[in-house]
Amino acid sequence: AQSVTQLDSQVPVFEEAPVELRCNYSSSVSVYLFWYVQYPNQGLQLLLKYLSGSTLVKGINGFEAEFNKSQTSFHLRKPSVHISDTAEYFCAVSETTNFGNEKLTFGTGTRLTIIP
Amino acid sequence: GAVVSQHPSRVICKSGTSVKIECRSLDFQATTMFWYRQFPKQSLMLMATSNEGSKATYEQGVEKDKFLINHASLTLSTLTVTSAHPEDSSFYICSASGWASTDTQYFGPGTRLTVL
Repeated sequence: AQSVTQLDSQVPVFEEAPVELRCNYSSSVSVYLFWYVQYPNQGLQLLLKYLSGSTLVKGINGFEAEFNKSQTSFHLRKPSVHISDTAEYFCAVSETTNFGNEKLTFGTGTRLTIIP
Repeated sequence: GAVVSQHPSRVICKSGTSVKIECRSLDFQATTMFWYRQFPKQSLMLMATSNEGSKATYEQGVEKDKFLINHASLTLSTLTVTSAHPEDSSFYICSASGWASTDTQYFGPGTRLTVL
């Protein structure tokens, strides 16, 4: 079984400042890693994912994340945030398998609030 | 990216009635669909996984007789909340993906269920 920890439940950031949202995971097997964003009263939108290869993954809306196996982390970063980035961000993992689509395990989410 | 729709987006019903929520993959064939439940300001909790043409696999603690899932085609899955009670009020989100373990889960916009 795997678990995901997002230590920061809320992160306020001034507009145009950089931001890092932290995500740590625990698993006994190899995992795929994901970041999703959820705007109010909407479903989840995929920001980026790590399956294999380069540990630095670039996503939509200027976000990127770096997979660190030794620290079991997958922190999300953006060099300059915008008001429109205000949302809930979820980190998720799934086990790597050869068969079928494995379920996602989500962290508890981080609410990013951009201050004008 | 792929599009997943849910209908209805909001539903209010009386206690004791049943409610059906539809989840459709609009531009791809979804061999696997997932149903999640999200309480206010909390993360997504997986309720069940369904593969087209077979019975759904429910997570521990989820009553399969209360939350009926049907995945009759590669583009449609339904969740029926039977004999709904106020404690069933929640945000229900579905996701859809292909068969491969590397296939991304695409999420629907969610359905807000309120049971009076």
